[in-house]
Order: sequence, then structure tokens, then C-alpha cells
Amino acid sequence: EVQLLESGGGLVQPGGSLTLSCAGAGFTFSSYDMSWVRQAPGKGLEWVSGIRAGATTTYYTDSVKGRFTISRDNSKNTLYLQMNSLRVDDTAIYYCAKAIRTPANWGPGTLVTVSS
Amino acid sequence: DVVMAQSPLSLPVTLGQPASISCRSSQSLVYSDGNTYLNWFHQRPGQSPRRLIYMVSNRDSGVPDRFSGSGSGTDFTLKISRVEAEDVGVYYCMQGTHWPLTFGQGTKVEIK
Repeated sequence: EVQLLESGGGLVQPGGSLTLSCAGAGFTFSSYDMSWVRQAPGKGLEWVSGIRAGATTTYYTDSVKGRFTISRDNSKNTLYLQMNSLRVDDTAIYYCAKAIRTPANWGPGTLVTVSS
Repeated sequence: DVVMAQSPLSLPVTLGQPASISCRSSQSLVYSDGNTYLNWFHQRPGQSPRRLIYMVSNRDSGVPDRFSGSGSGTDFTLKISRVEAEDVGVYYCMQGTHWPLTFGQGTKVEIK
């Protein structure tokens, strides 16, 4: 059974930084592209970033380019999202998902709150 | 960015009756590899989204066959043949063809 578990969320001040992690299990992590998708409180889904299986290529939505960095450690079956220069409108539940173009399995999410 | 327009945004349905959600994209979703990356997700309150349909019409494992997806190019539809109580929640379409990937606004399905 595919399992994804996000961690690292919390409360951070505007302009601060946070790094999210997503641990994968139950599948060959190194063979799959991975994604981050977020959902602001009471709002819809927004795709944030994706990374190829071999970490050779990364993709970002415009609003996070230059501030967020996606990466992965296939030896640890873990996906990361480093978030810098955080803004109030980055407040959301952040989900990791298996695959990019057709996100299949999703984790339970981790809440990031950006507030002073 | 490709805009995904869902309609309706709210859908009151009667148990046992059919339901249909439309999703229209601002550009064709046919990718250079010939595939059309249009997905449908269902999200219940307090839960993570669950993928129901991928590449227009492929139903995920464990998804009841009362759910079906169809369409091509820029016009897509999710149909529920007979709505059951567990089908309430928000449905999202998502395109995986053009960067950045984008979701529809969501359609909230509730029982009348």
C-alpha cells in the first residue's frame, strides 16, 4: 500500500523559512515523479511544484518561483520543499503526491501558517 | 496559465439520481505524447483529495463504476450514474498537460 506522510509544518512569521518533508513507503520511491499541492483554508487546490524521479528537472508555479525549492533524497525515500521568504498567502495545508501529471496518491498534509 | 472552468460550482443532488460536472480548459489538453492529462479528484471534508479518474476516462482502482469520465480537447465531463450518500464533497478537475499545472475551482456536491 502506498503511504505518504508529510511533516515540518507549523507557525512562521512573514519573511521566515520552513522546510517540509514527505516520507514515501509502499512503492519504489526513486522511480516516481513527485509533487507538492497546497490548499489555503476553505479554498481550492493549487499545484505548487514537481520533481522528476531522478531529480534532474523541477517545476514550479509562478507565485513560488525563486522562493521555494523542491528536492528529494531517493536513498531516504523522502521529498522536500524548502520555503523561503514566506508570505501570509502561503498559509495552507501542503500535500505531497505521487506523480506529477496525474497525481495518484496523496498524503494527509501538513499545515503551514504564516502570521505575525 | 491554463484556466480550468468547472460548472456548476454547487450541485444539490437526490440520492439515486444521476449527476454531471463539466470542466472546460482554456487550451487543448492534448500533450505532445498524444495523451490528454485531465484528472478528476474527490475531496471529503477534512480529508485529502482522492483521484477518481486519470487521463480523461481511466477509473482508479477501487473507484465505483458509477463514476465515469469523458471528453476531449478542451471539454470534459465527470458523471455519477446514481448518487450515493458517500459521494458528497468537492470534486476538482486538474490538467497535467501545461506548466504550471492547474485545478478547477471545485464543485460542491450535496444531497438535497
